[in-house]
Amino acid sequence: ETGVTQSPTHLIKTRGQQVTLRCSSQSGHNTVSWYQQALGQGPQFIFQYYREEENGRGNFPPRFSGLQFPNYSSELNVNALELDDSALYLCASSSQGRGNIQYFGAGTRLSVL
Amino acid sequence: AQSVTQLDSQVPVFEEAPVELRCNYSSSVSVYLFWYVQYPNQGLQLLLKYLSGSTLVESINGFEAEFNKSQTSFHLRKPSVHISDTAEYFCAVSSSGNTGKLIFGQGTTLQVKP
Repeated sequence: ETGVTQSPTHLIKTRGQQVTLRCSSQSGHNTVSWYQQALGQGPQFIFQYYREEENGRGNFPPRFSGLQFPNYSSELNVNALELDDSALYLCASSSQGRGNIQYFGAGTRLSVL
Repeated sequence: AQSVTQLDSQVPVFEEAPVELRCNYSSSVSVYLFWYVQYPNQGLQLLLKYLSGSTLVESINGFEAEFNKSQTSFHLRKPSVHISDTAEYFCAVSSSGNTGKLIFGQGTTLQVKP
């Protein structure tokens, strides 16, 4: 059974650019959630995808968008990058059901200069 | 709205000593509760969870947490810590019946000293 994998592990962008982060869910899971973890903070929920549809969104602006593919993998896209977007981006996969227990990948460290 | 408060940002402790990491939550609906651990430069690993049933839950590496509904707490304990337990610990809550969106606390850094 494969776990949650994220790519790339590190990324450096400049302000105003666009970035795409990728996540492969754990085998048997149909739901992907994305979180942003700023330095020294707890993760903050960005949004969740279930059956290729957005299934809940946190307090993030529309320039944060996502996709889920038929194989349940997912992308997080961020447009018009700002310095405050520098953070660790975590993907978690789960199955809809009791507890919706989420299992996390190692994350993508994004630095915006 | 839900919230989670981890009462200690850092907990220094000597090896083989007991430790308690405190977590309080606020919610108007039934909740599921979780503890995750994050080692340096890594993602989050699920340590233990409370969904229902026994209020005392245990992990395979000696940690335990007790759900106290009246005090809205879910404190994490270990009777004897090891150097390898040094990490960041996050308490999280989600509402039963929703998407499973997790609300996290700010984290507690456990520093185990030799």
